[in-house]
Amino acid sequence: DIVMTQSPLSLPVTPGEPASISCRSSQSLLHSNGNNYLDWYLQKPGQSPQLLISLGSDRASGVPDRFSGSGSGTDFTLKISRVEAEDVGVYYCMQVLHSPQTFGQGTKLEI
Amino acid sequence: EVQLVESGGGLVQPGGSLRLSCAVSGFTSRNYWMTWVRQAPRKGLEWVANMNEDGSEKNYVDSVKGRFTISRDNAKNSLFLRMTSLRAEDTAVYYCARYRVVGTPHGGMDVWGQGTTVTVSS
Repeated sequence: DIVMTQSPLSLPVTPGEPASISCRSSQSLLHSNGNNYLDWYLQKPGQSPQLLISLGSDRASGVPDRFSGSGSGTDFTLKISRVEAEDVGVYYCMQVLHSPQTFGQGTKLEI
Repeated sequence: EVQLVESGGGLVQPGGSLRLSCAVSGFTSRNYWMTWVRQAPRKGLEWVANMNEDGSEKNYVDSVKGRFTISRDNAKNSLFLRMTSLRAEDTAVYYCARYRVVGTPHGGMDVWGQGTTVTVSS
């Protein structure tokens, strides 16, 4: 199975400041079609997860442009350009290239 | 409104069975891959199983293979998860979700239900 490793696991931030989360996979997530099969999700307290980024860098519908995804192969990054109070929660990366699809451990963003 | 509503969770003894349901509304489920994801208490997300549009392809995480069965009734716009030989470690909130892109399990899961809680305990 592909193992997904996130860092840090806890991320204290100040509103208005940038934040960055790293996600590494044990195997390349780059498909021969050029897509990286890596998604990012945010689970706000008491809520179901919500899709932020798919295919490594495609922002989902309705996601603010302060969120961006980058990376390729085995190393990926989620960046928040200016953190807002509503961004608190646990962020997960997830590989969808191979079955079983697997999540990272999660990164708790706290203000 | 696009919506997924899970039901069927509850308290069950070890070794018991449950059938979870996911009612789809606001879109035609037969066009999409669908999936189940779970979250044990105070733990992270774990992908459990997925299924293609017509049910001809199913995938499972190793820990549930042979015990859980994913299925769907496209005529009733519903997804199911039959769980047997339940263990304490299956205790979790179970979410159903839709893969965003028609015809593929890639491209992100953009619609999630609110979850249904399964507790396996004697």
